[in-house]
Amino acid sequence: EAGVVQSPRYKIIEKKQPVAFWCNPISGHNTLYWYRQNLGQGPELLIRYENEEAVDDSQLPKDRFSAERLKGVDSTLKIQPAELGDSAVYLCASTSGGGRNTQYFGPGTRLTVL
Amino acid sequence: AQSVTQPDIHITVSEGASLELRCNYSYGATPYLFWYVQSPGQGLQLLLKYFSGDTLVQGIKGFEAEFKRSQSSFNLRKPSVHWSDAAEYFCAVGGAFSGGYNKLIFGAGTRLAVHP
Repeated sequence: EAGVVQSPRYKIIEKKQPVAFWCNPISGHNTLYWYRQNLGQGPELLIRYENEEAVDDSQLPKDRFSAERLKGVDSTLKIQPAELGDSAVYLCASTSGGGRNTQYFGPGTRLTVL
Repeated sequence: AQSVTQPDIHITVSEGASLELRCNYSYGATPYLFWYVQSPGQGLQLLLKYFSGDTLVQGIKGFEAEFKRSQSSFNLRKPSVHWSDAAEYFCAVGGAFSGGYNKLIFGAGTRLAVHP
């Protein structure tokens, strides 16, 4: 069974540029999460999807961040414009059913904003 | 507010030595608890989880953890460390936090180095 797939693995951009990250969850997993992991810290939830619906986006900085999961499968996280403080690893995770079910993580996208 | 504290930022042990990584949580209700491991450039891999029942849980790679409600702790242990265990370890607590949505809150992690 394929795991959570993320691309790109690495991205370097200049500040004020836009950037997008893509995630393909494990087949059949209806719950998808985006996390941000700053250097030396644990992951912090940005947004959670149940199928196509964003059910928890309270930690998503909505002035510059957006996300979508149009068909309830793949998801895209976008930052526009990027700031220096956005440099981090962006992790995608998925699970079936949410709640106490195990979250399976992708390898992440390491973003560097210059 | 819910939180997870991993008091040790960095731990170094010799190969073959025993290991204990500490985790304390703050959560008013019954938590469910996880330990994840992250190798360089990799995503997080689940080592073990506690939902209910037996407070000593066994995980993959020879790891175990013990839930102690009275101490709000969920420490991770391994009797004999292998060089391949060098990685970063994250403790997480899950529950229906503010907003009513089940989510995970992670600690800051403990980086484990293993000396030959």
